[in-house]
Amino acid sequence: QSALTQPASVSGAPGQSITLSCTGTGRDVGGYNYVSWYQQHPGTAPKLIIYDVTNRPSGVSNRFSGSKSGDTASLTISGLQAGDEADYYCSSYTSRNTLLFGGGTKLTVL
Amino acid sequence: QVQLVQSGAEVKKPGASVKVSCKASGYSFTGYYIHWLRQAPGQGLEWMGWINPNSGTTRYTQQFQGRVTMTSDTSVSSAYMELSRLRSADTAVYYCATITMFRGVILPYFEYWGQGALVTVSS
Repeated sequence: QSALTQPASVSGAPGQSITLSCTGTGRDVGGYNYVSWYQQHPGTAPKLIIYDVTNRPSGVSNRFSGSKSGDTASLTISGLQAGDEADYYCSSYTSRNTLLFGGGTKLTVL
Repeated sequence: QVQLVQSGAEVKKPGASVKVSCKASGYSFTGYYIHWLRQAPGQGLEWMGWINPNSGTTRYTQQFQGRVTMTSDTSVSSAYMELSRLRSADTAVYYCATITMFRGVILPYFEYWGQGALVTVSS
């Protein structure tokens, strides 16, 4: 199985809103509402920020929101802050009863 | 609070095996699946499989079939992942992870992670 497709890098200025994309197929992203997003700072374990496409775990800022259209899921971060600079990974359940991750997007806050 | 504490870094030679442990605390260990994932240096995350700590039932992704063994010991609330026939491409940080949202249900996302265990395969 090929990894989900994410842009390698995105950047934005503090206070801006940015959207990260995650493209799969009908056998994963498009076929199930089991898309999740993780934030990972260097040297640390990933942190779950979105699950089931749109839900935020308790304690995660409402500046993070998720959506999906067809085979592409999106993570929007509003009011960009310096602490948001990190790697972001999407993940999806697949028709093979496995989990597939994207290659990750490096977010730079200018 | 939920904690997953993993064993330390390991250096192995090609062809050897490695066993990484993951000790759970702060929740009912037997009630929630433990997943194992890995991340090669500078690369993305890769899901390896899961274990039901209560029954010992496992599911491995095809890529690791025949090389990976996941086990659990409920007496010490610990899960283990053993990878055999190591090669340089197996050099990675190995994570255990879980989510305690619904007891006994396999969920495809993880709220709690171990700190990771770096496994280096080098001759």
